[in-house]
Amino acid sequence: DSGVTQTPKHLITATGQRVTLRCSPRSGDLSVYWYQQSLDQGLQFLIQYYNGEERAKGNILERFSAQQFPDLHSELNLSSLELGDSALYFCASSPGTSKLDEQFFGPGTRLTVL
Amino acid sequence: AQTVTQSQPEMSVQEAETVTLSCTYDTSESDYYLFWYKQPPSRQMILVIRQEAYKQQNATENRFSVNFQKAAKSFSLKISDSQLGDAAMYFCAYRSAGWTGANNLFFGTGTRLTVIP
Repeated sequence: DSGVTQTPKHLITATGQRVTLRCSPRSGDLSVYWYQQSLDQGLQFLIQYYNGEERAKGNILERFSAQQFPDLHSELNLSSLELGDSALYFCASSPGTSKLDEQFFGPGTRLTVL
Repeated sequence: AQTVTQSQPEMSVQEAETVTLSCTYDTSESDYYLFWYKQPPSRQMILVIRQEAYKQQNATENRFSVNFQKAAKSFSLKISDSQLGDAAMYFCAYRSAGWTGANNLFFGTGTRLTVIP
C-alpha cells in the first residue's frame, strides 16, 4: 500500500458525460501528479500540482481539468467524454521538498466510456 | 523533449534464470534520474530501482540491478534468479533532476515479462 488513495476504483459512463476522479496523497506530500495509461498512448503525464498551485502540464486535453484543494487532495475532471478517454488514470504524490523525491502511485481509477 | 524507448515489447525467462530488459533514452540534460517500475496484473505501479545520473555506480536492489551507460544513454534492468512473482509489465522512466518543481516522469512503452516455471 503506497498510502495514496484514489476513488472510485472503477467508473463506467457514456460518451458526452462528465466525471470526477479523486486522489488523496500520502500524508504530508505536497505534490500530486496525474497520469493516464491507455492502450494507444501508453503511460503519459497529464498535470502536476504543488501545494494547491499548478506546477507542470503535460498532454492534458482542454476537456480535462484538475485542481488541488487546501487539504491537498486533488480532483481530475473529465468532460465531454469520448470513447478514446477510456483508460486507467493514476495519481501519484511526492513530498515536493527535494529533487530526490520519489513518486508514490495510487491504485488507479479505471474509466470505461461506452 | 525527453523520450524513453523500450524496444522489447515482450520477454520471457525460465524460473531461476537471469533476464535483461533494455531501455534507451534521449535527453539534452546532464542531471536526471532513471527508474524501472513494475506493473503486475493488479495494475499497481511499483518502483523497482532508481539510478541517479551523476552516480557512476550501477544501482542494485537485491535480485535487481541496472547497467547504466550514460554516454550511450542506455539503462537496462537485470533480474537474477527470476521468480514467478516477477511476471509483470516493466516500465523504464526518466525524470529531470532540475529543481523547478516540475518532476514528472516520462515512461517507455513497457516490456511484458513472462516467467516460465
